[in-house]
Amino acid sequence: KQEVTQIPAALSVPEGENLVLNCSFTDSAIYNLQWFRQDPGKGLTSLLLIQSSQREQTSGRLNASLDKSSGRSTLYIAASQPGDSATYLCAVRLSGNTPLVFGKGTRLSVIA
Amino acid sequence: GAVVSQHPSRVICKSGTSVKIECRSLDFQATTMFWYRQFPKQSLMLMATSNEGSKATYEQGVEKDKFLINHASLTLSTLTVTSAHPEDSSFYICSARRPAKANNEQFFGPGTRLTVL
Repeated sequence: KQEVTQIPAALSVPEGENLVLNCSFTDSAIYNLQWFRQDPGKGLTSLLLIQSSQREQTSGRLNASLDKSSGRSTLYIAASQPGDSATYLCAVRLSGNTPLVFGKGTRLSVIA
Repeated sequence: GAVVSQHPSRVICKSGTSVKIECRSLDFQATTMFWYRQFPKQSLMLMATSNEGSKATYEQGVEKDKFLINHASLTLSTLTVTSAHPEDSSFYICSARRPAKANNEQFFGPGTRLTVL
């Protein structure tokens, strides 16, 4: 059974810092990996989706990398802002027909 | 991206009543929809997979008679929490899979906050 682990569980940084969130998964034969953002009491916002054949994806200040063989992904946030404060969830799929399996998330606080 | 809606966004009910939550894919046909549950400060846990025109597949530990899922059309799936109890209070999120296009990406609804008194 696929398990997804995110480290750290919580992170607090001053505004302007670059930071890295980590995600690991037990079954490396994934179809794709996705990073989401969730604000308190709200639904999910998709940030980046990486197909199994890709190594990384970038969107603005966000960069996600994927090392399938080692079962790891990182989400890099450059020049963090208070508006980046949220919970970041990593999720993987084993095939196009199977659902996303989520990690427990990293709660990020960016202090002004 | 594709749009998935959920209704209601928030519901408060008395213990013992049943609550129906609707999930709609607004601009695409979804043969498969997923229902997740999220307890406070926890991650999303898959409850069941809903396939249009057939019975839902439930994850281990999820009572199919308590959480009734109906996927009667390609754009609508419903989750009914029967005889709700306070421990069913949670955030319920549906997701629709868009086949073929967008690499079968899952699109998520905004969630429904259920509070059972």
